[in-house]
Amino acid sequence: AQSVTQLGSHVSVSEGALVLLRCNYSSSVPPYLFWYVQYPNQGLQLLLKYTTGATLVKGINGFEAEFKKSETSFHLTKPSAHMSDAAEYFCAVSDQNAGNMLTFGGGTRLMVKP
Amino acid sequence: DAGVIQSPRHEVTEMGQEVTLRCKPISGHDYLFWYRQTMMRGLELLIYFNNNVPIDDSGMPEDRFSAKMPNASFSTLKIQPSEPRDSAVYFCASSLTRGITGELFFGEGSRLTVL
Repeated sequence: AQSVTQLGSHVSVSEGALVLLRCNYSSSVPPYLFWYVQYPNQGLQLLLKYTTGATLVKGINGFEAEFKKSETSFHLTKPSAHMSDAAEYFCAVSDQNAGNMLTFGGGTRLMVKP
Repeated sequence: DAGVIQSPRHEVTEMGQEVTLRCKPISGHDYLFWYRQTMMRGLELLIYFNNNVPIDDSGMPEDRFSAKMPNASFSTLKIQPSEPRDSAVYFCASSLTRGITGELFFGEGSRLTVL
């Protein structure tokens, strides 16, 4: 069974500050890991994903995430927050046997202060 | 290039009424998913189809919920009778490949309010 825990349902940062959204997972097999973003009144869209290979993954809009197997983590970061980054972010995991059956975390709402 | 299209975007109905939500997946995608999003429970997978066949409906909350996919370009999620606790945003998503990319393409959702 897989699960995803996102620490902090709400995160607030100032514009220009570092963004760090935390995600820890549990999976019985090597996982595929994803971050999705949901802007207000929209569906989710893929930010980035880790399947195999390089553990530091770069996504759209300057976001990146690092897969750390020893810590079972896949935290999302961005060096400098922009007002347009305000949204809800979801971490998700699937395993190689479950294909596109994603298990989502509870989401973290990012607020960016001017 | 059209994405996943859902209708209606908003639906307000009274308890006991039948609700039908519709979804048109991206052309060529062979997986279709229905999710429900609420503040209390987050994102929940209700059911998914592969090549129009329901594969896993274990997330469907109860018999009042049913989903069909009569062809590759159309799916419905029906609630009959509806109850206030069904109020949520319902998302449809489609996907082309299984196992490797895991990228789901989501529609904009149907916001259901049951009074």
